[in-house]
Amino acid sequence: EAEVAQSPRYKITEKSQAVAFWCDPISGHATLYWYRQILGQGPELLVQFQDESVVDDSQLPKDRFSAERLKGVDSTLKIQPAELGDSAMYLCASSLGYRFREEETQYFGPGTRLLVL
Amino acid sequence: GQQVMQIPQYQHVQEGEDFTTYCNSSTTLSNIQWYKQRPGGHPVFLIQLVKSGEVKKQKRLTFQFGEAKKNSSLHITATQTTDVGTYFCAATSGGSNYKLTFGKGTLLTVNP
Repeated sequence: EAEVAQSPRYKITEKSQAVAFWCDPISGHATLYWYRQILGQGPELLVQFQDESVVDDSQLPKDRFSAERLKGVDSTLKIQPAELGDSAMYLCASSLGYRFREEETQYFGPGTRLLVL
Repeated sequence: GQQVMQIPQYQHVQEGEDFTTYCNSSTTLSNIQWYKQRPGGHPVFLIQLVKSGEVKKQKRLTFQFGEAKKNSSLHITATQTTDVGTYFCAATSGGSNYKLTFGKGTLLTVNP
């Protein structure tokens, strides 16, 4: 069964350092999402891509976070500089996309657990 | 922005007891999805409800969407230890972006 891949699975960094997370969605999925999940909370959408275009980044702290999906396939989320409050699980998800409005199941990857010291 | 409120936050049951979690919104929802996240795991899609008053069943799980499309519930009959995890509802309010807003989830623990 196809899965969303993410790396690394765990990342420990010091504040003010730069970190990057990678996501490879399920093949053929046009929509890709990055979520942040704080312990005990539900996932919060950071950015949503449709193919290579950003369609929603309203909750992305743009002063320190950036995301790209240059070829409309895999994606990178970067934080620079990292702050203590960025410690969380970063989840990537993908779905078939706009052509399948009634079946927008999101498939989540295993996540990257970030700890900022 | 759109919010979905989920209650209870925690629920501890004895194995064999039933469990219900509720999801409420102040606005009409386009549809609602339910996800399960095992401890240390990632959210896994369970089901999507689209129609007003819709009821769907998956073995011991029953999902309902309210008539006004502002609330939903997940009911588990005769819980088992494998049901342990956090159950999230996630809702869309329509629009072209199909943005999901997740509730805070209900953590279910089951005592064997």
